[in-house]
Amino acid sequence: DTEVTQTPKHLVMGMTNKKSLKCEQHMGHRAMYWYKQKAKKPPELMFVYSYEKLSINESVPSRFSPECPNSSLLNLHLHALQPEDSALYLCASSLESSYNSPLHFGNGTRLTVT
Amino acid sequence: DAKTTQPNSMESNEEEPVHLPCNHSTISGTDYIHWYRQLPSQGPEYVIHGLTSNVNNRMASLAIAEDRKSSTLILHRATLRDAAVYYCILRQGFTGNQFYFGTGTSLTVIP
Repeated sequence: DTEVTQTPKHLVMGMTNKKSLKCEQHMGHRAMYWYKQKAKKPPELMFVYSYEKLSINESVPSRFSPECPNSSLLNLHLHALQPEDSALYLCASSLESSYNSPLHFGNGTRLTVT
Repeated sequence: DAKTTQPNSMESNEEEPVHLPCNHSTISGTDYIHWYRQLPSQGPEYVIHGLTSNVNNRMASLAIAEDRKSSTLILHRATLRDAAVYYCILRQGFTGNQFYFGTGTSLTVIP
């Protein structure tokens, strides 16, 4: 079991759909992250929120829109995705955005774009 | 981005020690070395981290070279549950939240 909960576990969407991925943690962590992982590849950093403010956007296309409504929740809004966006989307959190606090990951949402 | 280099794959016999190497020649003085592992169909799991000194915890040991350009994750007695992809990561000290994964080492444990 992980302390970072991601929903849904699986998602299939068409290229014209709008959907959202959700991530929740109740560990009091103030930094939250989105990663994208393709099959047999390492996770790639997409976004970082620190104290509910976006601090890093790794040049992610605008069809991915992150949102951090409060310190426990992180959303990733998806719109007009392409089939190549199919991947495992991982959420993580850490106590604060400092180099000494480890990341805690959820088990991801497996997204398929048809 | 600070980069890490790891062997693509390694094998170990069950109940024997495993030494997983990582090169990070571009490491800067404030970068922490983190290790994570990822089991099939799960998110990455934190294993251990350190800055300069060797570190031990219940899961593993981390040996850091004196010049910090390389490190080794040591699993003292490999079990079948240790079969996973192990990632060595430099957590960059300037902002602290740029956390880039290397290519990882896929560890196979042979019964």
